Amino acid sequence: QKEVEQDPGPLSVPEGAIVSLNCTYSNSAFQYFMWYRQYSRKGPELLMYTYSSGNKEDGRFTAQVDKSSKYISLFIRDSQPSDSATYLCAHAPDSNYQLIWGAGTKLIIKP
Amino acid sequence: DTGVSQNPRHKITKRGQNVTFRCDPISEHNRLYWYRQTLGQGPEFLTYFQNEAQLEKSRLLSDRFSAERPKGSFSTLEIQRTEQGDSAMYLCASSLSGGKYFGPGTRLTVL
Repeated sequence: QKEVEQDPGPLSVPEGAIVSLNCTYSNSAFQYFMWYRQYSRKGPELLMYTYSSGNKEDGRFTAQVDKSSKYISLFIRDSQPSDSATYLCAHAPDSNYQLIWGAGTKLIIKP
Repeated sequence: DTGVSQNPRHKITKRGQNVTFRCDPISEHNRLYWYRQTLGQGPEFLTYFQNEAQLEKSRLLSDRFSAERPKGSFSTLEIQRTEQGDSAMYLCASSLSGGKYFGPGTRLTVL
């Protein structure tokens, strides 16, 4: 079992829809959770960063961590074609440590 | 531009040659990370610096790989005697605390 599992997709949704992206992880000691967006042939771009459980909202993006089920989610409201990218989840035991990554979910927003 | 920068953006080399990549982190960030990413996968950790000290190296980092951060600012990653399996995107990230911010990457192709 991989440390972080993520459905590779592609996930295709119409413009304006709410998108739900998910990851499961195995190490309950990890406290820091991050979501990155990566466009083709570009470096990952940090979208959301959360510590421990709970929700965090930033504009159209909401990150949710459920430590009891070892499940992390990213919700995108009012999705737009420019949101089409690969979304990677990552976690770490503390803020200094190297990240453990999912393989990424490819998201396609259809106009 | 105050983000992480990497040079060159692309490098094509012949097998057996040496290559060197440079990363300039965000200026106030004391932590610097190197990752490698292949198509369809999340980034793989290579090594990590806090200021000029190299604190951790992955087992992926064979003796052909060496990284330096001589003055705690920019960093270089050198690959000696390149092999075709070294072809990948090499990503640099920096952080102060919390989220890690990535550069655009250097894409290496070994022929």
